[in-house]
Amino acid sequence: EVQLVESGGGLVKPGGSLRLSCAASGFTFSSYDMNWVRQAPGKGLEWVSSISSTGSYIYYADSVTGRFTISRDNAKNSLYLQMNSLRAEDTAVYYCARDGSSGWPSFDFWGQGTLVTVSS
Amino acid sequence: DIQMTQSPSSVSASVGDKVTITCRASQGISSWLAWYQQKPGKAPKLLIYAASILQSGVPSRFSGSGSGTEFTLTISGLQPEDFATYYCQQGNSFLITFGQGTRLEIK
Repeated sequence: EVQLVESGGGLVKPGGSLRLSCAASGFTFSSYDMNWVRQAPGKGLEWVSSISSTGSYIYYADSVTGRFTISRDNAKNSLYLQMNSLRAEDTAVYYCARDGSSGWPSFDFWGQGTLVTVSS
Repeated sequence: DIQMTQSPSSVSASVGDKVTITCRASQGISSWLAWYQQKPGKAPKLLIYAASILQSGVPSRFSGSGSGTEFTLTISGLQPEDFATYYCQQGNSFLITFGQGTRLEIK
């Protein structure tokens, strides 16, 4: 069974940093591109970042470029999101999501999410 | 960035009804479109990818169509568990974008 479990969320002050983790199991993690998607309270979905299976290709939304860094450790079946210079507008539930096994750009499995709150 | 616009933003319907949700892209995206269902407090669930291919395990009352800039998600014979929020997502660009969502409510 595919499982994605996020951790690392919490309350942080504006300008602070946080590192999210996503532990993957039930599939060959090293074969899949992975993503972070966030959802502000009461709002829609916003794609944050993607990383290819080997880590060679990385993409970011304009809203987080220069502040967030996505990475992965295939030996540990883990995905990470380092978030620096956090702003109030970064407050959201952060989901890790697996790229679809079909090969088409979609997200077929999602974690339960971890809440990040940026507030003084 | 490619903008995705869904309509309507919300819709009310009854069990057994047929509902259609539209998603328009600001530029052509071929068939690089997916649809998701999200219930309150839960992660999104993939329904359809490549504009019209049903994800494994998704009921056949869900269907998708379209290409280029206009796409539709149709739910035929609404069931109580279908009342949720639906999102489209384009994958034509490496900068992925979602529509703003359509809330499907019980009439």
